[in-house]
Amino acid sequence: SQQGEEDPQALSIQEGENATMNCSYKTSINNLQWYRQNSGRGLVHLILIRSNEREKHSGRLRVTLDTSKKSSSLLITASRAADTASYFCATDGKNNNDMRFGAGTRLTVKP
Amino acid sequence: DVKVTQSSRYLVKRTGEKVFLECVQDMDHENMFWYRQDPGLGLRLIYFSYDVKMKEKGDIPEGYSVSREKKERFSLILESASTNQTSMYLCASSNQRGSYDQPQHFGDGTRLSIL
Repeated sequence: SQQGEEDPQALSIQEGENATMNCSYKTSINNLQWYRQNSGRGLVHLILIRSNEREKHSGRLRVTLDTSKKSSSLLITASRAADTASYFCATDGKNNNDMRFGAGTRLTVKP
Repeated sequence: DVKVTQSSRYLVKRTGEKVFLECVQDMDHENMFWYRQDPGLGLRLIYFSYDVKMKEKGDIPEGYSVSREKKERFSLILESASTNQTSMYLCASSNQRGSYDQPQHFGDGTRLSIL
């Protein structure tokens, strides 16, 4: 069963703008991860945030986590056409070794 | 860099056939996973394994089985393929059994069509 749900389903912006994607989940988590998927390819891990962390940065990526609201956001600053991809959040599952993914946000960055 | 290799990018099979999807990882990872990805549904976990000869059911195991005879190889088997198993199949691996904070490394997927 899906744990995370991303919002919006699709997002279209101009190059240079910021892109914000949100993820909501239902049960308590140990960590939340964000992945990126280019068309026709596998997923690539972007960033992990633990339940005791509120914010994390990696280059142009900023992730926040609000465990009281069971939500996370991924911000991509100064977007580029190469950021066009689908973005997924994933939360740790029942067995600790597995994760549950949402349906993703499709981001299009227009040059 | 971790490399997860899936044996086929595209595969076309017929209803009722037994289908094998192969996945190999080169980083001595303990955990391996099979997902299917369908539009609007995201990734759904079919089976995973945290050790050789071990397997655990995911959310949608019906109609599938798996085999892990060697640590680096995890095979997904469609016992009798049906059209509703047409999908993109993704294999992934991660390190450290029992650890929940390891990223998963994915192959590029196999797009399987069942006619």
